[in-house]
Amino acid sequence: AQSVTQLDSHVSVSEGTPVLLRCNYSSSYSPSLFWYVQHPNKGLQLLLKYTSAATLVKGINGFEAEFKKSETSFHLTKPSAHMSDAAEYFCVVSIGGSQGNLIFGKGTKLSVKP
Amino acid sequence: GAVVSQHPSWVICKSGTSVKIECRSLDFQATTMFWYRQFPKQSLMLMATSNEGSKATYEQGVEKDKFLINHASLTLSTLTVTSAHPEDSSFYICSAREHRGRLAFFGQGTRLTVV
Repeated sequence: AQSVTQLDSHVSVSEGTPVLLRCNYSSSYSPSLFWYVQHPNKGLQLLLKYTSAATLVKGINGFEAEFKKSETSFHLTKPSAHMSDAAEYFCVVSIGGSQGNLIFGKGTKLSVKP
Repeated sequence: GAVVSQHPSWVICKSGTSVKIECRSLDFQATTMFWYRQFPKQSLMLMATSNEGSKATYEQGVEKDKFLINHASLTLSTLTVTSAHPEDSSFYICSAREHRGRLAFFGQGTRLTVV
């Protein structure tokens, strides 16, 4: 069965310090993996995606994620947090195939302290 | 490319009325569209999957007579919340996927408030 686990429901960092949002997945297929961000009262915005190309994926706003098959992980990182990064982050797996449904993690709320 | 437009972005309606939410793929043909609902402090919940020209497939626990989904064309799917109640107040988001595509792209979402 396919699943996504975001290990932290809430992460709090100080502005200027690194961000690490953890995501582990389980998939019987070769997965596509995504990170989405949702700011308050806004829709989802794609940060980055992995689709079996380079394992280190660079996204928008300085975020990047590394696909580690041996660890079944796809953690999201950023070297230096900004106040505007405060939002909810979702790790998502696409199992592909003819159905192509998406499986969402429960989300991680990122707080950034001044 | 791959833009999905959802309208309206927010709506307030009276209890007992119906509300229609549109989801359009602007630059690709979406053979499949998904409708999600987000409950406070929870992840998105898939409500239904619609394929162009056929009936939607609803997830367990979702009332198909209350949440009417129409996917009449390759670029438009609509979700109608019928006889809305305050407990239907939520954030609804659609996503669209082209034929045999592995990626689904999201609309901006619709905040529905039923008073």
